[in-house]
Amino acid sequence: QSALTQPASVSGSPGQSITISCTGTSSDVGSYNLVSWYQQHPGKAPKVIIFEVNKRPSGVSNRFSGSKSGNTASLTISGLQAEDEADYYCCSYAGSRTLVLFGGGTKLAVL
Amino acid sequence: EVQLLESGGGLVQPGGSLRLSCAASGFDFITYAMIWVRQAPGKGLEWVSGISGRGDSAYYADSVKDRFIISRDNSKNTLYLLLNSLRAEDTAVYYCARVFGSVMFPNWFDPWGQGTLVTVSS
Repeated sequence: QSALTQPASVSGSPGQSITISCTGTSSDVGSYNLVSWYQQHPGKAPKVIIFEVNKRPSGVSNRFSGSKSGNTASLTISGLQAEDEADYYCCSYAGSRTLVLFGGGTKLAVL
Repeated sequence: EVQLLESGGGLVQPGGSLRLSCAASGFDFITYAMIWVRQAPGKGLEWVSGISGRGDSAYYADSVKDRFIISRDNSKNTLYLLLNSLRAEDTAVYYCARVFGSVMFPNWFDPWGQGTLVTVSS
């Protein structure tokens, strides 16, 4: 199976909201509510910000929210801040053969 | 504090082998499945392998199957990845991460280690 599809880049101004899409297929995103999102700052390890489509781990800002419709999951960041500038990756369970698929990543620029 | 610390990366020639380690602390290691994820320079994340808490089930991405071996020593709270028959395309930062869910139904991954760089080049 191929990686999940994300836009290469998105941008927004401080205070604005942005949404990053993550498109899979009926074999992964569309079939399971096991979508997670990871934030990665340059030179750092990824950090989970959303799991099970729309749940936030303890300590993650409520400015981050997730949703899913059909084969596409989405991450929305509201009230953009400079510190949100990072790469974002979606991830989905993809069945017993492939197990895990990541998206190609989206670079967020806060202008 | 839950921590994962990888080691063992380095420069290796094509066809060579390397063993990565991931030392875990701050949680009941045997209770959790673990995974390895890699990131080639300037590229995205790629799931490599996963192993159950007791080490009796292991899974691999097609790109590394029959070349890499995942294992764990629960008495030492350490996860391993043995990389054999290395190719230039295996060059990447390798991260270990704790799995929430099970190795067969991985849900989400937290935390991640800081990563260890493997460079395959002659």
